[in-house]
Amino acid sequence: NAGVTQTPKFQVLKTGQSMTLQCAQDMNHEYMSWYRQDPGMGLRLIHYSVGAGITDQGEVPNGYNVSRSTTEDFPLRLLSAAPSQTSVYFCASSYSAGLNSPLHFGNGTRLTVT
Amino acid sequence: KQEVTQIPAALSVPEGENLVLNCSFTDSAIYNLQWFRQDPGKGLTSLLLIQSSQREQTSGRLNASLDKSSGRSTLYIAASQPGDSATYLCAVRGGLQGGSEKLVFGKGMKLTVNP
Repeated sequence: NAGVTQTPKFQVLKTGQSMTLQCAQDMNHEYMSWYRQDPGMGLRLIHYSVGAGITDQGEVPNGYNVSRSTTEDFPLRLLSAAPSQTSVYFCASSYSAGLNSPLHFGNGTRLTVT
Repeated sequence: KQEVTQIPAALSVPEGENLVLNCSFTDSAIYNLQWFRQDPGKGLTSLLLIQSSQREQTSGRLNASLDKSSGRSTLYIAASQPGDSATYLCAVRGGLQGGSEKLVFGKGMKLTVNP
């Protein structure tokens, strides 16, 4: 199985541009989430979803939108990129949001906004 | 607000040592705690998950313990090898202000095992 697949691996944007970071999982996981990882800040939750059609905000949701139309896909949209959104973005999934469901991570998208 | 701390931020040891990595959290009302490993340029790999009702979990040379009442977890690595070099992160799920859907991560500890 491929697990959690993120595309692209690298991206450079100019301020104000929009783009979508793709995330797909083939493990039939109900729970999916997006994190950003910044030096000195650790991993911070952006948005998450406990199933198709259900999304909610995490710790740092401003400037990002998500949707969950299928179980497999959970894209993250940057509406108008800002330099503060330069970061490494990770998508993660688990079987459920329950007690014994380890989180599985993709390999990340490194985004630079100039 | 749940806070997770890992001290020290970095550790360098010779090969063969037995290691103890520490993780502390401020809100003991957690559902579970997970230890991860992150290699440079890669995502996180889950190592061990301990439910709040458990005291420890073991996988190969790794043993993780949980003392919920004191807000502490330790990851024990036996007979360390250069291949263990990576950043280790702990994360807790839940807490009084967070539901089971949210994990809070520590900032990680960078381990270097020298041959």
